[in-house]
Amino acid sequence: DQQVKQNSPSLSVQEGRISILNCDYTNSMFDYFLWYKKYPAEGPTFLISISSIKDKNEDGRFTVFLNKSAKHLSLHIVPSQPGDSAVYFCAASADNNDMRFGAGTRLTVKP
Amino acid sequence: DAGVIQSPRHEVTEMGQEVTLRCKPISGHNSLFWYRQTMMRGLELLIYFNNNVPIDDSGMPEDRFSAKMPNASFSTLKIQPSEPRDSAVYFCASSLLAGLLDTQYFGPGTRLTVL
Repeated sequence: DQQVKQNSPSLSVQEGRISILNCDYTNSMFDYFLWYKKYPAEGPTFLISISSIKDKNEDGRFTVFLNKSAKHLSLHIVPSQPGDSAVYFCAASADNNDMRFGAGTRLTVKP
Repeated sequence: DAGVIQSPRHEVTEMGQEVTLRCKPISGHNSLFWYRQTMMRGLELLIYFNNNVPIDDSGMPEDRFSAKMPNASFSTLKIQPSEPRDSAVYFCASSLLAGLLDTQYFGPGTRLTVL
């Protein structure tokens, strides 16, 4: 069962614009959420995380928003750069246990 | 630091053969994780170890899969016998602290093809 869903397999944006990657989850027990970025032929790298006690976490150009009532989180990248082109995975964990990942969204930032 | 090291990077084998994937975590890290990535199921956590002890292997798909961590600097993931549906990229990751919430550092992955 897909407890974490990334419904957009791909996203294309222009350099300098905002990229918004979305993630939905079904398990209300999830209390910690993470985003990973993955380049081809490399392992995923941690990008940003958020605890369920917050609704926003910001780190430079990256901001993660959490809407617990909608069971939805999003990653905003502003401004988008060509080097941000990668596959982004959303992940969720319940009580420091059982990490689940979404299928990933391939972001392409065009110069 | 060299990061998480995985070997081999690519493995092609025939159905029924035993496959062993290897991982060397970052020195000093206390947790080690094995993941599998497929097109159909995305990235899945298979098993993880804290201080060399398996904590949660509920993600291991079948008894054909087994993982060991004989010491703090080495882990193996074994598939015996292998099947074509095991074809995937297998990632190993490590983190400094125990549990799932600390930042995990991933290796480059092993691409397994079972013919």
